[in-house]
Amino acid sequence: EVQLVESGGGLVQPGGSLRLSCAASGFTFSRYAMHWVRQAPGKGLEDVSGISSDGDSTDYVHSVKGRFTISRDNSKNTLYLQMDSLRPEDMGVYYCVRGTGSYYGTFFDQWGQGTLLTVSS
Amino acid sequence: DIQMTQSPSTLSASVGDRVTITCRASQSISSWLAWYQQKPGKAPKLLIYKASTLENGVPSRFSGSGSGTEFTLTISSLQPDDFATYYCQQYNSYPGTFGQGTKVEIK
Repeated sequence: EVQLVESGGGLVQPGGSLRLSCAASGFTFSRYAMHWVRQAPGKGLEDVSGISSDGDSTDYVHSVKGRFTISRDNSKNTLYLQMDSLRPEDMGVYYCVRGTGSYYGTFFDQWGQGTLLTVSS
Repeated sequence: DIQMTQSPSTLSASVGDRVTITCRASQSISSWLAWYQQKPGKAPKLLIYKASTLENGVPSRFSGSGSGTEFTLTISSLQPDDFATYYCQQYNSYPGTFGQGTKVEIK
């Protein structure tokens, strides 16, 4: 059974930093592109960042470029999202998701349960 | 970024109704479109990809059609478990943008 388990969410002040983690199991992690998709409270879905299966290629939505860094450790089956200079508009549930194709053009067939980020003073 | 627009935003329907949701892309995305279902407090679930291919395990009452810029998701006979919010997503290019969602409510 495929499992994606996020952790690391919490309350952080504006301008602060946080690192999310996603532990993957039940599939060959190193063969899949992975993404972080977020959902602001009561709002829709936004693909924040994606990374290729080997970790060599990454991309970000414009609003987080230069502030967020996606990475992965295929030896640990873990995906990360380092979030710096956090803003109130970054608040929401962050989902770890599995891509089915290349990191730059993929739909998402497996989703974690999500981890909540709150940005507030 | 490619903009995705869903209509309607909210839809009131009864069990057994045929329901259609429309998704329009701001430019052609060929058939690179997926549909998801999300229930309150839960992660989205993939229903359809490549505009019309049903994900394994998804009931056959769900179907998708379209190409280019206009797409539809149809539920042939609405069931109690189908009351949820539905999102389309283009994956022709990064970022894979989503529609704003269509909430299917009980009439």
